[in-house]
Amino acid sequence: DQQVKQNSPSLSVQEGRISILNCDYTNSMFDYFLWYKKYPAEGPTFLISISSIKDKNEDGRFTVFLNKSAKHLSLHIVPSQPGDSAVYFCAASAWNQGGSEKLVFGKGTKLTVNP
Amino acid sequence: NAGVTQTPKFQVLKTGQSMTLQCAQDMNHNSMYWYRQDPGMGLRLIYYSASEGTTDKGEVPNGYNVSRLNKREFSLRLESAAPSQTSVYFCASSGTGVMSNEQFFGPGTRLTVL
Repeated sequence: DQQVKQNSPSLSVQEGRISILNCDYTNSMFDYFLWYKKYPAEGPTFLISISSIKDKNEDGRFTVFLNKSAKHLSLHIVPSQPGDSAVYFCAASAWNQGGSEKLVFGKGTKLTVNP
Repeated sequence: NAGVTQTPKFQVLKTGQSMTLQCAQDMNHNSMYWYRQDPGMGLRLIYYSASEGTTDKGEVPNGYNVSRLNKREFSLRLESAAPSQTSVYFCASSGTGVMSNEQFFGPGTRLTVL
């Protein structure tokens, strides 16, 4: 049972255009959402996050939107650059009393930005 | 400040062999995690440790054991390797008491079991 779904395995955009990566979740207990970026042969690196009390968070070229009623979030990259080509993972967490916030990851979307 | 380090980077095992993957972090984080990444499967949690002295199972714990040796180190052991354990293994760590949940990942260990 996939709690975090990234339904597009891949996405290709032109340099300078907007990239939109989508993520859906099923667990209403999730209260924090993150996007990670992964280059080949490297570990994932944190990109941007959003709390469930917000509907938008922006950091430079990256903006994450959260629609709680639809259980949907999206990552917008504007403008896209060839260096953004990577696999993007959506992740979600629910606070637990154990003190460790486990993340549930989607399967990832491979973004290719063409020059 | 090296962040999260993992050894080895690559390993080839024969079915039935055992090995331990090592992970260390220098960020004074309380929580540490082991994930595996398989093609088309994303990152799946194997085990995690909320704090020194505690460990808990994640989504796919079968065939693995872990040891939280101290606050810095968290090792993953395969007692009898199977081809199904061929994967890329990532260790991660995070602080506690905050809602940010940002986990810092190591570079990964690519394991092949023949």
